[in-house]
Amino acid sequence: AQKITQTQPGMFVQEKEAVTLDCTYDTSDPSYGLFWYKQPSSGEMIFLIYQGSYDQQNATEGRYSLNFQKARKSANLVISASQLGDSAMYFCAMRESGSSYKLIFGSGTRLLVRP
Amino acid sequence: EPEVTQTPSHQVTQMGQEVILRCVPISNHLYFYWYRQILGQKVEFLVSFYNNEISEKSEIFDDQFSVERPDGSNFTLKIRSTKLEDSAMYFCASGDLESNQPQHFGDGTRLSIL
Repeated sequence: AQKITQTQPGMFVQEKEAVTLDCTYDTSDPSYGLFWYKQPSSGEMIFLIYQGSYDQQNATEGRYSLNFQKARKSANLVISASQLGDSAMYFCAMRESGSSYKLIFGSGTRLLVRP
Repeated sequence: EPEVTQTPSHQVTQMGQEVILRCVPISNHLYFYWYRQILGQKVEFLVSFYNNEISEKSEIFDDQFSVERPDGSNFTLKIRSTKLEDSAMYFCASGDLESNQPQHFGDGTRLSIL
């Protein structure tokens, strides 16, 4: 069974608008972490934002925020005021405790920001 | 800011040859990882390394693969007798024990098997 599901293979957004990238996860571990990484066309993996399972508040990092709905097991990434440089692949990933802290990735969403 | 460095950035190898991918993790990190990303697909976990030994490996990480930390700074992935399907981007990552800290990824090595 998929542990991380990203149902949007591709998304478009107009420059300066906000966009939400979906991520749902599946775990029975009460302690876990959720991460979003950006992968531009050059290929590197850039960490964006982290949400812990016990965090009371949604994580924010500049223009990035995470809409964490624990009961629904979703951790959607919200990018506000989109910029052309935001065009990239975005991966949601989960880290469970007691598993060498490895990351399990979703299949990614390709975001294209239109001028 | 410290970063994970990987060399080479691109490796082209004939099928059946051995390749060694090299990584220098962030110096105070204790966990080291290799991941693989076949073109157009998601990033897949290969192996984790902690305290000078493999702590976990995926089913992809068979006898063809091995990892080493030969000198306390470098972390290498060796692929013996490469196959066409080994063509992928290979990422090294490192992390510390704080669970809320991200793994830091290198820029990857693009491996092309001919």
